[in-house]
Amino acid sequence: NAGVTQTPKFQVLKTGQSMTLQCAQDMNHNSMYWYRQDPGMGLRLIYYSASEGTTDKGEVPNGYNVSRLNKREFSLRLESAAPSQTSVYFCASGNPGRTLNTEAFFGQGTRLTVV
Amino acid sequence: AQKITQTQPGMFVQEKEAVTLDCTYDTSDPSYGLFWYKQPSSGEMIFLIYQGSYDQQNATEGRYSLNFQKARKSANLVISASQLGDSAMYFCAMSPNMGSARQLTFGSGTQLTVLP
Repeated sequence: NAGVTQTPKFQVLKTGQSMTLQCAQDMNHNSMYWYRQDPGMGLRLIYYSASEGTTDKGEVPNGYNVSRLNKREFSLRLESAAPSQTSVYFCASGNPGRTLNTEAFFGQGTRLTVV
Repeated sequence: AQKITQTQPGMFVQEKEAVTLDCTYDTSDPSYGLFWYKQPSSGEMIFLIYQGSYDQQNATEGRYSLNFQKARKSANLVISASQLGDSAMYFCAMSPNMGSARQLTFGSGTQLTVLP
């Protein structure tokens, strides 16, 4: 069972470069999420997609864009990377509405360093 | 807006003993869910336990139980019979139970170390 797959696992960028983090889930979930985790802090929501074709801003959306390509895939793009975006990025998916007990399933994370 | 507070940056427990990790929350949502996740040093996020705001009973999952006190807005995680493999970062989180998404708000985490 693949679950939630993120690529790449590690990335080093120079300031000003762009890149896209890919995320795919095979659990037929409606909702997908992007979080970032900084040292000593919990995860913070960047963007989410409640269903295919919709996206919404989370707590820390500045400097990021997202695309819900289809039900399976949800990508996160950094147009012009900054050192402040050095973080570990997690993609997650879930199926709210089917039941109240709807935990989110997380990918393995992408460790991004911007120099 | 929802807020989660975890006031214990680090905790130590002796192997085979029980430990309680504290979590308090604040929300204006009438219906919400509370979650605990474990993050070992390898970095993945592992779901442990869920409590719904209208659940009458405290949630239990094996050695994990959630001490839910709605009036105090607390959702403490109790781990019984600690094992060395329980050493990890633990995050409390909550989400609204209404709407089309269940975006999570996380606390800052508690680093648990189990001593042999």
